[in-house]
Amino acid sequence: GAGVSQSPSNKVTEKGKDVELRCDPISGHTALYWYRQRLGQGLEFLIYFQGNSAPDKSGLPSDRFSAERTGESVSTLTIQRTQQEDSAVYLCASSFPGGNQPQHFGDGTRLSIL
Amino acid sequence: RKEVEQDPGPFNVPEGATVAFNCTYSNSASQSFFWYRQDCRKEPKLLMSVYSSGNEDGRFTAQLNRASQYISLLIRDSKLSDSATYLCVVNYSGGSNYKLTFGKGTLLTVNP
Repeated sequence: GAGVSQSPSNKVTEKGKDVELRCDPISGHTALYWYRQRLGQGLEFLIYFQGNSAPDKSGLPSDRFSAERTGESVSTLTIQRTQQEDSAVYLCASSFPGGNQPQHFGDGTRLSIL
Repeated sequence: RKEVEQDPGPFNVPEGATVAFNCTYSNSASQSFFWYRQDCRKEPKLLMSVYSSGNEDGRFTAQLNRASQYISLLIRDSKLSDSATYLCVVNYSGGSNYKLTFGKGTLLTVNP
């Protein structure tokens, strides 16, 4: 069956440009999560959606980062005025609601800022 | 104290060995626990949930000690394909807010 789909797989852009990353969760999964993973590092929580609302945005590192979700489905993570330290793999995960539900991850978007 | 702490390793073991990973968590209100594995340059994948009574899935055994805020994963008869980073994951639920906190992972290499 269809898993979590992320696009693009890879994105290379110049410092200062805006980028938009997309996540298509598994159908029926109302919870959606964004994480960042720098090379050789652990996962860093960014934001969590329940439906189209984001009750927890605590992980967004700066106001250059924003995310939205529509139709309790697709989510986009936008990074404005990218900096070199934004280079990382951005992972999206989805799950059924509830704290005991495991998360299913997409393949991630590998973002490189030149 | 970090929210979820793991020995980063690396653990290098021969095929057939038994290896154990430990994890501690700081939030006593944490409610659910998981082990994920992550292969090099791949996304994390759920290995198993961890239940209060302990649980086993084939060669893998997970245990939880709430009093000590400690989780463990035991791998018996390790295979080459077990080589990966093992992530301890803890969920804290506050109201409608569910937040999984990942440990930084323990790297395992199983050698022929």
